[in-house]
Amino acid sequence: GQNIDQPTEMTATEGAIVQINCTYQTSGFNGLFWYQQHAGEAPTFLSYNVLDGLEEKGRFSSFLSRSKGYSYLLLKELQMKDSASYLCAVPIYNQGGKLIFGQGTELSVKP
Amino acid sequence: ETGVTQTPRHLVMGMTNKKSLKCEQHLGHNAMYWYKQSAKKPLELMFVYSLEERVENNSVPSRFSPECPNSSHLFLHLHTLQPEDSALYLCASSQEEGPGGATDTQYFGPGTRLTVL
Repeated sequence: GQNIDQPTEMTATEGAIVQINCTYQTSGFNGLFWYQQHAGEAPTFLSYNVLDGLEEKGRFSSFLSRSKGYSYLLLKELQMKDSASYLCAVPIYNQGGKLIFGQGTELSVKP
Repeated sequence: ETGVTQTPRHLVMGMTNKKSLKCEQHLGHNAMYWYKQSAKKPLELMFVYSLEERVENNSVPSRFSPECPNSSHLFLHLHTLQPEDSALYLCASSQEEGPGGATDTQYFGPGTRLTVL
């Protein structure tokens, strides 16, 4: 079966760096997505990793290790507006667009 | 309008009512999805339509009935719902290559906040 785990909540300070981890178990692998969701709003796409390594996109970076079934999202120079839920999602292998989501990590950024 | 839109944004209904949720995508995608998001739970995939054909219903109760008249529009018809059906219902779309193909990014609408009394 498929399973995704990520911490439920995290707290960090404005200006700091925070790492949000995601572990997954899948039969087959077709990449991993990170989404950001502010309260009451739509999830918005942050990153997609299909190869091992770190991909940087401004203040946000995403890392993948396929051998370990592990990914993390790294947020630098935290801002208050980064307070949101961060969702890790993995496609069901060979089934087109069907995604399995983790429960999301609620990040609170404090002044 | 751009992206994915959903109406209504908020809906309160009794258990005997019939209502419909509407989703429209302006991205030229060929696949659309309904998700349910309950508090403290992962997003749950309910239905997938690819090229206007339903390809997954994921054991959703029959009181939820999807309809996809064309590749840009998706409906979720609701009848005799239960209070535990109260949740945020999200629509998404993507451009899919089909089984075995690469998975494209899904773009989400703002959701309909449903409360069943």
